[in-house]
Amino acid sequence: DTGVSQDPRHKITKRGQNVTFRCDPISEHNRLYWYRQTLGQGPEFLTYFQNEAQLEKSRLLSDRFSAERPKGSFSTLEIQRTEQGDSAMYLCASSLLGGTPPHEQYFGPGTRLTVT
Amino acid sequence: AQSVAQPEDQVNVAEGNPLTVKCTYSVSGNPYLFWYVQYPNRGLQFLLKYITGDNLVKGSYGFEAEFNKSQTSFHLKKPSALVSDSALYFCASNQGGKLIFGQGTELSVKP
Repeated sequence: DTGVSQDPRHKITKRGQNVTFRCDPISEHNRLYWYRQTLGQGPEFLTYFQNEAQLEKSRLLSDRFSAERPKGSFSTLEIQRTEQGDSAMYLCASSLLGGTPPHEQYFGPGTRLTVT
Repeated sequence: AQSVAQPEDQVNVAEGNPLTVKCTYSVSGNPYLFWYVQYPNRGLQFLLKYITGDNLVKGSYGFEAEFNKSQTSFHLKKPSALVSDSALYFCASNQGGKLIFGQGTELSVKP
């Protein structure tokens, strides 16, 4: 399978703990995106990378959140000192290099985070 | 700010009947619009996109969407619904590289 993969698929953690998620994009894709989806809502943009450069961060991304894409391939999203409000599905997507018109984004299966 | 709205939380259709899932948009400049489908406990799957050109866009699984600039709409359609089409559908607009999603419409197709 050469699609976007995410690990783990599910994570249960206690409030105050740190968690890290991994995303492996489609290999030839330069852009990688993170979104968050809560129940009954559409995904909300968090941040995106072009190769290893983080180009934009949403105001939703508090100081407790950090994302990296060190070699322009896989990416990690870390949440420090988790709160119950962080419980959500975290989706990763990738696409070919952006431009006009934009390319479609391909999504991974997501990591479901539950903070108890 | 750009936004996308899906006015119906749920659409119910009988198998074999045509289906429409509605989407309206508010964007500045050229709209780049997408439809995605989400099955339970899975990520989003790309269905189709409107970039420019023909107002009727054909996509995966027999779906199509009609872009209407005067009504600022991009409704998803299928001539004959299948039970397996039952899922959550999202309309989205690309704003500077990131997708802005509507709240989603749950499609239920009954036999």
